[in-house]
Amino acid sequence: IAGITQAPTSQILAAGRRMTLRCTQDMRHNAMYWYRQDLGLGLRLIHYSNTAGTTGKGEVPDGYSVSRANTDDFPLTLASAVPSQTSVYFCASSEMGQGYNEQFFGPGTRLTVL
Amino acid sequence: AQSVTQLDSHVSVSEGTPVLLRCNYSSSYSPSLFWYVQHPNKGLQLLLKYTSAATLVKGINGFEAEFKKSETSFHLTKPSAHMSDAAEYFCVVSTRSGNTPLVFGKGTRLSVIA
Repeated sequence: IAGITQAPTSQILAAGRRMTLRCTQDMRHNAMYWYRQDLGLGLRLIHYSNTAGTTGKGEVPDGYSVSRANTDDFPLTLASAVPSQTSVYFCASSEMGQGYNEQFFGPGTRLTVL
Repeated sequence: AQSVTQLDSHVSVSEGTPVLLRCNYSSSYSPSLFWYVQHPNKGLQLLLKYTSAATLVKGINGFEAEFKKSETSFHLTKPSAHMSDAAEYFCVVSTRSGNTPLVFGKGTRLSVIA
């Protein structure tokens, strides 16, 4: 059982380019999340999905979009990347949303926008 | 609103000595609390969780935490530090809120000296 996989592991991207970070889980969890981790700021929630077909905005959603077409996949798209989006991005999942259960994290994607 | 404060950004201990990582929380209801660990260039791994059962919670790798409602604390301890414990530790509180289901502390970096 892989848990949560993320791709790519790392990426260097020119400003203005479009980029999709992929996330797949095999635990049949209902809820999925995208976080960014920045030094001194901890983890901040970008978008979440409590169940397939629904999404919501987290703490820092601007410049990002998500979709949840099925239970397993939760891609994060940067429509036009900017240098302030340089960060480490973590995908997570939990059995249910609303913070009732612990979240399981993927290994992360290190993104550099130049 | 729910919040969590990790009182130390960096803790340094000698191998074989006790570890204490401090966390205070604020919550308008009986919270769920978690401790996660992040080793360098890795994702977050759940150490332990408190969900209103026993106030002393045992986790993986010899860690435990005690929920103290009167002190609004959830400190993480380990009797004897090991070199492999060197990592970043995050205290997390649930919010029961859809758009910010978990609130993360800023993290405590634990260094273990041989």
